[in-house]
This record gives sequence, C-alpha cells and structure tokens, in this order.
Amino acid sequence: QSALTQPRSVSGSPGQSVTISCTGTSSDVGGYNYVSWYQQHPGKAPKLMIYDVSKRPSGVPDRFSGSKSGNTASLTISGLQAEDEADYYCCSYAGSYNVVFGGGTKLTVL
Amino acid sequence: QVQLVQSGAEVKKPGASVKVSCKASGYTFTSYDINWVRQATGQGLEWMGWMNPNSGNTGYAQKFQGRVTMTRNTSISTAYMELSSLRSEDTAVYYCARGDRIAVAGTWGQGTLVTVSS
Repeated sequence: QSALTQPRSVSGSPGQSVTISCTGTSSDVGGYNYVSWYQQHPGKAPKLMIYDVSKRPSGVPDRFSGSKSGNTASLTISGLQAEDEADYYCCSYAGSYNVVFGGGTKLTVL
Repeated sequence: QVQLVQSGAEVKKPGASVKVSCKASGYTFTSYDINWVRQATGQGLEWMGWMNPNSGNTGYAQKFQGRVTMTRNTSISTAYMELSSLRSEDTAVYYCARGDRIAVAGTWGQGTLVTVSS
C-alpha cells in the first residue's frame, strides 16, 4: 500500500492555528475511522496525539484536534506554542490487518 | 509505568540478519499487540507489521513479507523482530510500539539503530 499524502511542511506564528492534511483513499483513510496522529521531536520516539480520527489520549492538550472528511484526515493545532515545533505523522488502518503512515509534515513555529 | 525497552544498536553486513528485542513492563504483555515501525535517517515512519503476543499471530506489511519474522517469549515479556537478507536500504531506527487499538501505538520503545554496511 502507498503512503498517505501529507504536506512536507507547514508553519505558523505563536498563538495561531495550523492544519495538517493527510490524504489517502477509500481503502484506508476513507474506509475506516481508524486514523491516528503522532508527534515526533528530533531524536525522540513518536508520541500519540490523536486516535480514532478525533480522540485525544489523556495528557494531550485540547489545542490538538482531529477530523476527517472523505479520504482526507486533518490535524489542527490551535494556539501554537514553540514546543509544538516537530514532525507530525498521520496513520491509518488499511484493511486486512495492515497499517499505513503518511510521509510526515514538518511544523515550524515562526 | 508502561515501558518498552529495546536492545542496543547493531552493525551488520549486507546479506546478514538482525534480531531486535523489545522487553515490556508495567502491563500484561499478552494483552496488547506489538507493532514494529522503522525510520531511515531523515525519512518518515514505515510500518513493518504486528504480532499478538498471546496467540503468536502475526501480520506483515507486503514489502517485508518473506524477510521479516516477529516472535515472542511470554515468560520474559519480550518481543522480537528479525529481518533477514539485509541491504544498505535497511539502515534505520527500528521501533517497537504497543498496539492499544487498531492503528494506535500508545507506547513506543526508545528505538534501535541498525546499520547495514560492508
């Protein structure tokens, strides 16, 4: 299966909102409500930020939210903070016990 | 606390095999799947497959089928990922991650760097 499509980079100023898109197909993103998002700082392991399209694990600030429309999922970060600068990856179930990641998006906080 | 601790860095020659371990603690090892994900330097995350530690059932990404084997030893709460016929493109950090739900990895190991070089 092919990787999900994400923009290579996005940026925003502190306090602003940014949205990262994740486009797949009807066989993955569009076919299941099993989309998750991960944050990764340089040299660190990924951290789960959103699961099941829009649910937040405990401890994740409510500035992070997820949604989905058709074959495209989105991660929105509101009230940007310096520590949000990181790489973000979407992930989707693709059927038959398979999982696929997006290519990743580098978020820069200006 | 829930923790996954992986084995140390490895250097292998092309054509060899590598076996990475992932020791779980802080929860019942057989209650959650273990996923393996790799990341080449400067590249994105790539899902390799999953294993159910209770049954031993596995599912591998098509790209790795025939080259990857995921096993476990429940007596020591440890999962293993073995990758064979290594080539330079397999140089990457390999992560294990607990599968809390479908496509959800809530806890990750610290990563194991595997370098393939002649």
